[in-house]
Amino acid sequence: EIVLTQSPGTLSLSPGERATLSCRASQSISSNYLAWYQQKPGQAPRLLIYGTSSRATGIPDRFSGSVSGTDFTLTISRLEPEDFAVYYCQQYGSTPPLTFGGGTKVEIK
Amino acid sequence: EVQLLESGGGLVQPGGSLRLSCAPSGFTFSSYAMSWVRQAPGKGLEWVSTLSASGDSTYYADSVKGRFTISRDNSKNTLYLDMNTLTAEDTAVYFCAKGFRSSWRGFLDYWGQGTLVTVSS
Repeated sequence: EIVLTQSPGTLSLSPGERATLSCRASQSISSNYLAWYQQKPGQAPRLLIYGTSSRATGIPDRFSGSVSGTDFTLTISRLEPEDFAVYYCQQYGSTPPLTFGGGTKVEIK
Repeated sequence: EVQLLESGGGLVQPGGSLRLSCAPSGFTFSSYAMSWVRQAPGKGLEWVSTLSASGDSTYYADSVKGRFTISRDNSKNTLYLDMNTLTAEDTAVYFCAKGFRSSWRGFLDYWGQGTLVTVSS
């Protein structure tokens, strides 16, 4: 089973700043099949990124994803007020379980 | 517009059973894998189960294996999750989610709003 470790647990930033969220996999993920989701309080998760770096429909280009080995990164280039939320990574490249990371909360500083 | 509407949540006693349903619209239900994901109060997301588009392949988290059963009725456009021998650890919001492809190997591109299951005496 692949374990995904997200860091930091909480990121305190101001609007306009750059956010860098990390998701480290315990082993290689086939075809870099990793997705990122955003969740706001009381809402369902929303797909942001799939296949490590492809943006989902309607997702602004300030969101980007990358990978180096087993270290995946979600970058928000300039935080907008609506970007303050919890972000989860999920791998779908290896046999289930389709594990999620523990989440990173991006809060207003 | 893709929509997923869950129902069937509620309060159930420990050891009890519950059936969740998910009614999708806006896409060809029979062409896509479907999953259930849960979120305990104040916690992160936990994948529960995935069912292939045809219904012939099922996958479960170890925490629910042997107690939960995922199924679908493509003729009725409905996804189900039968939950048995429930414990307090199963208390969570249960989300229905659409897979990107017909097999399990896909991200979840649309999610329902969730239904709350509370296991308590």
